[in-house]
Amino acid sequence: DQQVKQNSPSLSVQEGRISILNCDYTNSMFDYFLWYKKYPAEGPTFLISISSIKDKNEDGRFTVFLNKSAKHLSLHIVPSQPGDSAVYFCAASPSGGGSEKLVFGKGTKLTVNP
Amino acid sequence: DVKVTQSSRYLVKRTGEKVFLECVQDMDHENMFWYRQDPGLGLRLIYFSYDVKMKEKGDIPEGYSVSREKKERFSLILESASTNQTSMYLCASSASLAVSYNEQFFGPGTRLTVL
Repeated sequence: DQQVKQNSPSLSVQEGRISILNCDYTNSMFDYFLWYKKYPAEGPTFLISISSIKDKNEDGRFTVFLNKSAKHLSLHIVPSQPGDSAVYFCAASPSGGGSEKLVFGKGTKLTVNP
Repeated sequence: DVKVTQSSRYLVKRTGEKVFLECVQDMDHENMFWYRQDPGLGLRLIYFSYDVKMKEKGDIPEGYSVSREKKERFSLILESASTNQTSMYLCASSASLAVSYNEQFFGPGTRLTVL
């Protein structure tokens, strides 16, 4: 059973426009969420995170929104740049119990066209 | 900067061979992880370790084993490589929850091809 879902395998946007990547989760015990970016032939790199006590977190061009009631989070990239073209993974972590495991979605491949 | 290194970027092995993938981190992290990444399947956890000589199975441990003799080093072992183990293997590490939230730092990956 997939606990973290990224339902769009791919997304294509024009340079300068907004990119919105979506992620849904099913486990109400998740309380910390992360986005990773991955270029081909490289390891994922951490991008931005949000804890369940917040509904928004910004870092430069990247903003993550969390809607706990809908069990949904989204990553907004504004403005999108060609260098943002990569696979983006959403990940979630359960609270309590000292668990350090992350549960990853399957990823969304973002292509930003010049 | 946290640095996670993996012993090889590309590896080609034959079916039935025993394969060792090595991972080293330099940030004194307690936790270390091995994932594989396959197209359309995302990142799947194979094994993880939260302390020296400790290990726990992830979601897909079959056909793999691990070793953690020192805190900075976590090895993934394919006992008898098979073609369905052709994949990108990613190692990651993280500090304990007492120090920070669960950000994991990844190595560059090893692209393993089993012929």
